[in-house]
Amino acid sequence: SYVLTQPPSVSVAPGKTARITCGGNNIGSKSVHWYQQKPGQAPVLVIYYDSDRPSGIPERFSGSNSGNTATLTISRVEAGDEADYYCQVWDSSSDHPGVVFGGGTKLTVL
Amino acid sequence: QVQLVESGGGLVKPGGSLRLSCAASGFTFSDYYMSWIRQAPGKGLEWVSYISSSSSYTNYADSVKGRFTISRDNAKNSLYLQMNSLRAEDTAVYYCARAYGDYVLRYFDLWGRGTLVTVSS
Repeated sequence: SYVLTQPPSVSVAPGKTARITCGGNNIGSKSVHWYQQKPGQAPVLVIYYDSDRPSGIPERFSGSNSGNTATLTISRVEAGDEADYYCQVWDSSSDHPGVVFGGGTKLTVL
Repeated sequence: QVQLVESGGGLVKPGGSLRLSCAASGFTFSDYYMSWIRQAPGKGLEWVSYISSSSSYTNYADSVKGRFTISRDNAKNSLYLQMNSLRAEDTAVYYCARAYGDYVLRYFDLWGRGTLVTVSS
């Protein structure tokens, strides 16, 4: 089965840039989606199709995907960005594709 | 408004059964694939199951295959998850989520608030 690897934690100072990676075998050939989850809340989609932003998501959130790594980039980080972030793809290696989530990355704003 | 509301969670003994429901409103439910996704306490997201818009296709995570059954009633705008032979490791918040897009490009653009299932003696 397909495995997505995320760093458990990333720390960044306010106003700086945070980069959260999601590693997977040839992940560049897949479509990667990103979710933000704050404590006690349901996840919220922040990036889809590698780099598209849903309406209402600030332009500070961007994504890229190439080779074996997809990256969620948060520019000019704010205290309100502190949350867990998850990447997601579909594992289409079998006749019945399944959904795969990364283990999640806790973003701490210093 | 556009929303998903889960219900049916609770405390159940190991080996027991539970049926979760998810009520959809504000959109054409029958147009979308739907999914259940769970999160054990302090852990990450784990996909559980999905069902196609017409119920023609379903799939399950290996961890629940043979024990859980996903279904839907488009006339009632409702999604269900029948959970049998429950284990302690099934303890989690269960989210209902709408899948948007095509085939293996789908992403989850709408989530419910979740319902907690606790499996304990």
